[in-house]
Amino acid sequence: GQNIDQPTEMTATEGAIVQINCTYQTSGFNGLFWYQQHAGEAPTFLSYNVLDGLEEKGRFSSFLSRSKGYSYLLLKELQMKDSASYLCARAGGSYIPTFGRGTSLIVHP
Amino acid sequence: EAGVAQSPRYKIIEKRQSVAFWCNPISGHATLYWYQQILGQGPKLLIQFQNNGVVDDSQLPKDRFSAERLKGVDSTLKIQPAKLEDSAVYLCASSLDRMGLYEQYFGPGTRLTVT
Repeated sequence: GQNIDQPTEMTATEGAIVQINCTYQTSGFNGLFWYQQHAGEAPTFLSYNVLDGLEEKGRFSSFLSRSKGYSYLLLKELQMKDSASYLCARAGGSYIPTFGRGTSLIVHP
Repeated sequence: EAGVAQSPRYKIIEKRQSVAFWCNPISGHATLYWYQQILGQGPKLLIQFQNNGVVDDSQLPKDRFSAERLKGVDSTLKIQPAKLEDSAVYLCASSLDRMGLYEQYFGPGTRLTVT
């Protein structure tokens, strides 16, 4: 299948750095997305990786290793508003998207 | 630029009843998606349209769910008859083209409760 695995829940302290990992099936891979979803709201786009390496965008960075079927989202200088679910999504064959279950991040003071 | 519009925002029905959801994507977006998101899980793709053609509907329970995108713009998703396990948020999303090249923009969703 196209299983996407990510941790269910993580906690971190305001101002700290947190890394959320995601592993996925490598066959038929056409790109990896990260979305943020606050409780009761729709997902919003954070990043897209299709080539190996690190993409940096402000406090958020995303890394991809295609050979390992591995990605991570790095959040720096954590703020309380970063408490949300972070969804890893894989574009497969014909660019059909598959989302993971999401990682619930809790940021505490 | 207006975002993805969905209606209704909330719906409560009894099992075995029918329900329909409506989605208006961002103007010019060729690709439209319907997702089902059960509480505590990630969005599950039900159907993906490219203009008015179906790209994938492999996870759509076709005995009770149907969807159409006439004229390649608005779309409707229907459930008939509804079951208790259909209680979820139904998200519509659109992208300029297929996901591999462009990000998806999500609507606010319709929260369906089946009693």
